[in-house]
Amino acid sequence: NAGVTQTPKFQVLKTGQSMTLQCAQDMNHNSMYWYRQDPGMGLRLIYYSASEGTTDKGEVPNGYNVSRLNKREFSLRLESAAPSQTSVYFCASSEEGREETQYFGPGTRLLVL
Amino acid sequence: QKEVEQNSGPLSVPEGAIASLNCTYSDRGSQSFFWYRQYSGKSPELIMFIYSNGDKEDGRFTAQLNKASQYVSLLIRDSQPSDSATYLCAVKRGGSNYKLTFGKGTLLTVNP
Repeated sequence: NAGVTQTPKFQVLKTGQSMTLQCAQDMNHNSMYWYRQDPGMGLRLIYYSASEGTTDKGEVPNGYNVSRLNKREFSLRLESAAPSQTSVYFCASSEEGREETQYFGPGTRLLVL
Repeated sequence: QKEVEQNSGPLSVPEGAIASLNCTYSDRGSQSFFWYRQYSGKSPELIMFIYSNGDKEDGRFTAQLNKASQYVSLLIRDSQPSDSATYLCAVKRGGSNYKLTFGKGTLLTVNP
């Protein structure tokens, strides 16, 4: 039981490049989330998916798109990366009825030059 | 006023002492309150949650909630060096089961 996994662990991009961050969970959780964590800013919700087939904006959605591919997988796409998107990205999941208990993946460190 | 505020620290306590971590929130409609622990370079993990006014104890950890004062705290008794981490306060506001608002975290250092 791996929990929440994220790929890649680390990525360097040039401004304007695109990439997709992958997240998968094997806990049969309904809900999945993408956060970014910046020094001095705390964790901020980018997008979430309450259940398979639905996605909703969080606090800082601009510059990102998401896809809930199936119940297990939730991807985050940067279409045209900007230096302001340099951050650590965490994926999380939670089970139905206990949405506030979120289990986090190990994170992806993204550097945009 | 920020929605969830924490003193960034660092808070330094000697081994065996009580560490007290504090958090205030601005939305009176907030319903549920959480403490996550995050070791350096690692992901957050939930250690306590509290829904009602008063104290909730779990081992060496006690969460305290005062909704009238919009204040939540975490006490760690008999602090150990392994408790050294950043502690994140999170609040679930009314109207959404899915959105947690996190504070910036307090860095705790427990000195042997």
